[in-house]
Parts: sequence; C-alpha cells; structure tokens
Amino acid sequence: ETGVTQTPRHLVMGMTNKKSLKCEQHLGHNAMYWYKQSAKKPLELMFVYSLEERVENNSVPSRFSPECPNSSHLFLHLHTLQPEDSALYLCASSQGKGVLFFGSGTQLSVL
Amino acid sequence: GDSVTQMEGPVTLSEEAFLTINCTYTATGYPSLFWYVQYPGEGLQLLLKATKADDKGSNKGFEATYRKETTSFHLEKGSVQVSDSAVYFCALSYNQAGTALIFGKGTTLSVSS
Repeated sequence: ETGVTQTPRHLVMGMTNKKSLKCEQHLGHNAMYWYKQSAKKPLELMFVYSLEERVENNSVPSRFSPECPNSSHLFLHLHTLQPEDSALYLCASSQGKGVLFFGSGTQLSVL
Repeated sequence: GDSVTQMEGPVTLSEEAFLTINCTYTATGYPSLFWYVQYPGEGLQLLLKATKADDKGSNKGFEATYRKETTSFHLEKGSVQVSDSAVYFCALSYNQAGTALIFGKGTTLSVSS
C-alpha cells in the first residue's frame, strides 16, 4: 500500500477515444499532481491542485483535462490524443515542502 | 529560469563500488534540493533532501551535500548493492510551499554482482 493508488496501470487507446486516469491518495495530503514521464526527458509537471486551487503548465495541450472533486481524488480526462502523448503518467500527493509521494503510474499507449 | 542538470547515464558499477551521480542546478533564489529514486515498475520516492546551504541529506547509505558555492547536490554512496539499481532524479523546489518541483532527466544506475 503506497498511499497513492493509480488506475489503470496500463491503457491502450485510439486517437478518437475518450478515457480517464484515476488517482486516489490515502495520506491526508492537501496537494495532488499529474506528471508526464517520457524517455530521456525530465519529468513534466502537468497540473497541480493545491488547497483546491489549480495550477497548470501552460504548455499542456487542451486534450488533457484534470478534475479534482476533493482532496483525495484526482482524474485526468483524455480525448483525441496523439501518438506522442504515449508516456507514463504519474500522480503524486504532498503536504508541501517538496516531499511528494508518487503512485506507480499509468503506462499509456496511443495508437 | 530554474533548472536541474544531471550527469548522463547509464552508470554501470560492480557491487561494493563507490557511486557518484552529479547534479548541478540553476536557481534565482534559495531552493530546497532533493534526490528521488524510481525502482523498476514503480513511481518515484524521496531518497533524501536538503533545505539550505551546507545541509547534508542522508538515507540508506546515500548522501548529498547542498553546495551553494558550486550550485551542486551530488549523490554519493560508499558501497552500492545490486538492489540500488534504479533511476535517480535530482530535483529542486522553486516555491516556498514546495508544491513546484523541477526534476532532472534522471540517471540510470545498474549494479552487477
């Protein structure tokens, strides 16, 4: 039990599909994050929800849409993705001070 | 803007060898510095951190010292084990709340027996 649970672990989707990634944290943290991990690139911060306020990376395409209904749950809604969006998507939570707790990720393949 | 640069990998060592993974940073303020580790098939987990100059973070035999004069935070371990094989990420926190981290590209370490 890592404290941060992501589902599904693996996802294959076509470019016209709509899917959602789910993240749940059981640590009582007040901030949740979506990161994108691609080979040979730095981790890319996509979205942060901190004390219910959303902060986003302006370079993230609108085909990625986050939702944070409460402090324990975080979703990433996907639609009309491109093959270059294939990556490992990591969710994390924290109580600040840079100490993040990560889930195991969703390995996404876009065909 | 703020950034983190790590040495390119992979780093391949024999068991009980000495490990150094270099990390340098660029920051306008006084960031906190971190090393995270990612084992195969898992997410990242915090290995150690330092919040101010000359602080030394340590955990599981790994150490790193926050060097403001050289803007570095090199990771070291005196004797690596096969179980240390993983990807290591250097990171800095560029806001007070610690909710904004910049990560390096990661360095893959492979230890053989």
